[in-house]
Order: sequence, then C-alpha cells, then structure tokens
Amino acid sequence: DTGVSQDPRHKITKRGQNVTFRCDPISEHNRLYWYRQTLGQGPEFLTYFQNEAQLEKSRLLSDRFSAERPKGSFSTLEIQRTEQGDSAMYLCASSSRGATEAFFGQGTRLTVV
Amino acid sequence: GENVEQHPSTLSVQEGDSAVIKCTYSDSASNYFPWYKQELGKRPQLIIDIRSNVGEKKDQRIAVTLNKTAKHFSLHITETQPEDSAVYFCAASTGGNNRLAFGKGNQVVVIP
Repeated sequence: DTGVSQDPRHKITKRGQNVTFRCDPISEHNRLYWYRQTLGQGPEFLTYFQNEAQLEKSRLLSDRFSAERPKGSFSTLEIQRTEQGDSAMYLCASSSRGATEAFFGQGTRLTVV
Repeated sequence: GENVEQHPSTLSVQEGDSAVIKCTYSDSASNYFPWYKQELGKRPQLIIDIRSNVGEKKDQRIAVTLNKTAKHFSLHITETQPEDSAVYFCAASTGGNNRLAFGKGNQVVVIP
C-alpha cells in the first residue's frame, strides 16, 4: 500500500497518560497535515508541516499536543496528560508541492477512559 | 477563519435517482473546493474537486458546480447505486498551505 499509513489504528488509554501516534505520508509528499474528527463532524485542522518545518498550528492544538516531523518524512503527534475530550479519530493527510489534492490515512482512533 | 456548511445533513434516494448536496462557504478568498467520501470506519477519499477558475467539473456519474458570487458549491451524483451510500464532506481552502476547512458531512443513503 503506497498511501498514507497511520499507526496504531486504535488506542485506548487511561486519562492522564501520554500517547503518541505516527503518520507515514505518501513518498515524496512534502506537505503533511494532522486533523481531528469527532463523531458526526468533519475533520478539523490541527497542524501543518512543509518538509520538517511546522508552519501552522490551530488554536485547537493546546499545549498538551505536540507534533514533529524531524526528517521531513514521517510525523508523530503526541498528546500529554490525555483527557476524555481528546477521544477522537486523528487523521493524517499529505500532499505534494504544487498540488492541492490531499490524501488521508486510515486514522488512529483514540479512546480515553 | 473559513466556515463551511452543508445541507441537508441526511439524504435518502432511490437507487437510480440523482442526489445533490450543497455547501456554502464564508471566505471569498477560498479557491479550492474538494469533496470527500467516507464510508464507515474508512479514510476520507477524494472523489472530485474544483478550483475557483472553473464553474463545473464532471467525472463519470459525479459532478461539482461552483457559484463564486453566491459562495456555494454542490455535488451531483447521477444514477445512484448502493455503493454510493456514505458520508460526503465538502471542504474549502484558500490555497497556500492548502489547509482544508470541512463541513459537517452529509449522510447519503441509497435505497435499493
């Protein structure tokens, strides 16, 4: 599968724990996005990378959230001190330079209990 | 920021009939409008998109129309089939970083 891949697919964690998700974009896509989707809603933008640079962060991304893309390839999204309100599907998408089409991964479904 | 709204929230159609979903956007600077289809438990899949310099685009049974003056765009699905049943999301972007603002989605149910 040469599409966007995310790991893990599902994560159940206790409130207060830290979690980290990984996204591998389509090869050679230099743009990478994280979105969050809750039940019955459309995806909401969280943050955007161009190569290794994090160029934009949403106000939704509280101080407990951090994202990295150290080598301009895969990216990680970490949530510290998880809260029940963090329960959602976390989607990663990528696109190539000069293109507008963004392709999504399968997402990581986070459940905070 | 950009605000995208979709109507209706749920649409039921008989197999073979047409389905139309409408979206409105608020930012007149938006210039890229994709539509995504999401089946239960699966990733959003890009099915068609349109740029602001075009009024209509077709791809087999699906088409998208854009009215920049009224700031709305619509998805048209003709000859609907059961496999068209899904949630459809419209989105808008102002270009640049291509950050997408999504609507809440429309549940389309095709009745065999």
